[in-house]
Amino acid sequence: GAVVSQHPSWVICKSGTSVKIECRSLDFQATTMFWYRQFPKQSLMLMATSNEGSKATYEQGVEKDKFLINHASLTLSTLTVTSAHPEDSSFYICSARTYRGNTEAFFGQGTRLTVV
Amino acid sequence: AQKITQTQPGMFVQEKEAVTLDCTYDTSDQSYGLFWYKQPSSGEMIFLIYQGSYDEQNATEGRYSLNFQKARKSANLVISASQLGDSAMYFCAMRFDNAGNMLTFGGGTRLMVKP
Repeated sequence: GAVVSQHPSWVICKSGTSVKIECRSLDFQATTMFWYRQFPKQSLMLMATSNEGSKATYEQGVEKDKFLINHASLTLSTLTVTSAHPEDSSFYICSARTYRGNTEAFFGQGTRLTVV
Repeated sequence: AQKITQTQPGMFVQEKEAVTLDCTYDTSDQSYGLFWYKQPSSGEMIFLIYQGSYDEQNATEGRYSLNFQKARKSANLVISASQLGDSAMYFCAMRFDNAGNMLTFGGGTRLMVKP
């Protein structure tokens, strides 16, 4: 099946710094990628939809200036958490849709962010 | 509004027995897709099975089968012959074809397989 690679798998950063998370589709072109956030013992919540070559679409309540998304190519989307605070600590996971079929969304391995 | 509900926060099953994880949904859309994912403690999301709203037969993938009852708006996952490695979080998700193709997830069920 298609492979989505997410990096880093975990990161610890100081409060006030920025962190960039990469999501790559390794063997297919993804015009659309999705970014989800998952707090401990909770479900995945969609943060934003990343469209290649255009601005991301953010879900209600997600600060676009804090969670910067760039989808500059058909194989790479990045999520930058700017001026991170401890409440941003969470599990972030991306997914990409391949149009070879409509039956599956492929997920990256996820990134566990801890802000201290 | 579209909503996915998993009413079982946690379940135990004896190894080698079958288990059913419940999932109900609420939508007025006619075209949608139903997914089940497994999330082990490592966090990765592992795709298990898919059912399209227009599929007439229940989907099956190895030990996984989806009991799709469209009129009742339910899409329960059945795992046969449970294995210790099946212990994980299980998420039901829907893709609404008129809503940008993102997935909306249920709250999840933690399955624990007892030896």
